[in-house]
Amino acid sequence: SAVISQKPSRDICQRGTSLTIQCQVDSQVTMMFWYRQQPGQSLTLIATANQGSEATYESGFVIDKFPISRPNLTFSTLTVSNMSPEDSSIYLCSVLSRGEGEKLFFGSGTQLSVL
Amino acid sequence: AQKITQTQPGMFVQEKEAVTLDCTYDTSDPSYGLFWYKQPSSGEMIFLIYQGSYDQQNATEGRYSLNFQKARKSANLVISASQLGDSAMYFCAMGGNFNKFYFGSGTKLNVKP
Repeated sequence: SAVISQKPSRDICQRGTSLTIQCQVDSQVTMMFWYRQQPGQSLTLIATANQGSEATYESGFVIDKFPISRPNLTFSTLTVSNMSPEDSSIYLCSVLSRGEGEKLFFGSGTQLSVL
Repeated sequence: AQKITQTQPGMFVQEKEAVTLDCTYDTSDPSYGLFWYKQPSSGEMIFLIYQGSYDQQNATEGRYSLNFQKARKSANLVISASQLGDSAMYFCAMGGNFNKFYFGSGTKLNVKP
């Protein structure tokens, strides 16, 4: 199984600022994803982080608001830009592991509160 | 388009009894995977069980089993011998061709002593 380190675990930010969330995996993985979980809601896929190329964003999410980097097969960052209170959510990094069947593993999440 | 439906917002079960959490899905992908995750109040997402669309047998992992009925497009999670620590949110998820994964709305399970 993949071990994922995600940080920060939580942050309180001011409106209009930006926060970068880091995701480090203990092994090389092809597929990395970023999800958002708004309070009391399910997980919504923001984008697929592609190594060496631009991320693939889902409908409703744009690169200017959620820029993503993926410099190698073990690391990715998600930036939440120009934050507003509506961005208050849990942000989760996940990776697809193909050993012993297909499994999607998650980091511990980043609890973001925007004031 | 892919869609995951969980119709039970909340469920109660008596400790030591079995409980079934429902999940139906819709996809046009010929190959896909179905997953169940547990999210306790701490917020972490814990992988429970996986079923491939071409797997002939239903998946089992300890007290968890997946009742996969392909023709009905359902993938229900069965938890046997419920424990107090099973109280959590449970999410069903699907990956088509394993390029993207989509989650249902979740079921909040409460285990009563």
